[in-house]
Parts: sequence; structure tokens; C-alpha cells
Amino acid sequence: AQSVTQLDSQVPVFEEAPVELRCNYSSSVSVYLFWYVQYPNQGLQLLLKYLSGSTLVKGINGFEAEFNKSQTSFHLRKPSVHISDTAEYFCAVSDWGNSGGYQKVTFGIGTKLQVIP
Amino acid sequence: KAGVTQTPRYLIKTRGQQVTLSCSPISGHRSVSWYQQTPGQGLQFLFEYFSETQRNKGNFPGRFSGRQFSNSRSEMNVSTLELGDSALYLCASSFVGVGQETQYFGPGTRLLVL
Repeated sequence: AQSVTQLDSQVPVFEEAPVELRCNYSSSVSVYLFWYVQYPNQGLQLLLKYLSGSTLVKGINGFEAEFNKSQTSFHLRKPSVHISDTAEYFCAVSDWGNSGGYQKVTFGIGTKLQVIP
Repeated sequence: KAGVTQTPRYLIKTRGQQVTLSCSPISGHRSVSWYQQTPGQGLQFLFEYFSETQRNKGNFPGRFSGRQFSNSRSEMNVSTLELGDSALYLCASSFVGVGQETQYFGPGTRLLVL
């Protein structure tokens, strides 16, 4: 079974300051890792994903994440946040199987990022 | 290319009723997954359909069911509604193939059970 732990339920940060949202996962097989963002009253939008290759992944809106296999972590970072980054962020893990497509995606509980002007 | 669409966007029902939610995936996407999102439980996987077949199912009671049509559109049905079924129901579609593992989400259907 796989699981995802987002260590912080809420993260307040001042505008233009850096931010890190933490995510740890557990799985018995190789996984794919994702970060999604959800703005109020909207669905989820993909920020970035790690499938293989370079462990530093760059996404949209200036976000990046680093896959650390030894620490089973996939923390999300942004060097300078903007008011518009205020949203809820979800880390997710998938054990995409041989049959292709998604077998199952497990999401973390979410981290609410509040950017303070 | 149009995104994932879900209808209706908002729904109010009473306990004991049943409800059907609809999801139209992105053109060319054959995999459709459904999730329930609540403040207490977060995002929980309901089931996934591919080529009209349910490939995977989460830990939900049999009151939750779904189906997929030949055009990949999917419906989700909840029978005998309970207050705890109030949630945002999200649908996600993906193109099946190596390197195409990304799910794209619709805006969701917000269900309120009174």
C-alpha cells in the first residue's frame, strides 16, 4: 500500500518570501510523484510531476520540487511567492502499472498556503 | 482542446435520494477516475474506468457506482444518499500510454445532502 504525508496543514508566508511545502511518501514499488494546486471552487491543476530522470523537477508558476529517494520525500519549493499563489497544494503518488494508465493515485491531505501581503 | 467537463456543477439532494453525476473527459482520453473530496478526509479515490471497464476501485460502499460509455464519457451514481455524502466530486481523465501518466481534473460537482 502507498501513502502520502503532507507535514503541514497550513503554511503562512509573506509575499516575496521563499516557501517549502513538505511531502513524504511510502510505497513498496516504484512510484510517480505529483504536486497539484487547487484554487477556491476549482478543480485540481497539475503543477509538476516526477516520473524518472533528473530528481529536480520544474513546474508551472515558478515552482520546483526535488525527489529524494533515500528520504522518500518530494518537497515543493518556490523562491519568491506571490499573492496569487494562495491556494491549497496536494502531493500525490501513483503506482502506474504495466497495464498503462492510472491504477490508483493517493493524495496527501493538502497544505493551505496563505501568502500575506 | 477542451478540458474535462462535469455536470452539474452544484446539486442539492435529500437523504435517501439518488444522484447521477456526469464527466466528459478530454478528447482522446480513455481513462476516467473519480474522487470524493471532503474537508475531513481530503481526496479519496472512488474508481477508475478505461474502455468501459472498471479497472480499480477505492474503499467505498456499494451505493457508489459508475460506468463509462463508448465515447469515454463517464457517470457516477450514488444511491440512498447520506448526509456524509456531501462533498466535492472530482473527475479526472488521462491518456493511456508511456509518458502520458498525467491526470487532468474537471472543476467538480459540489453535492449537498440535506
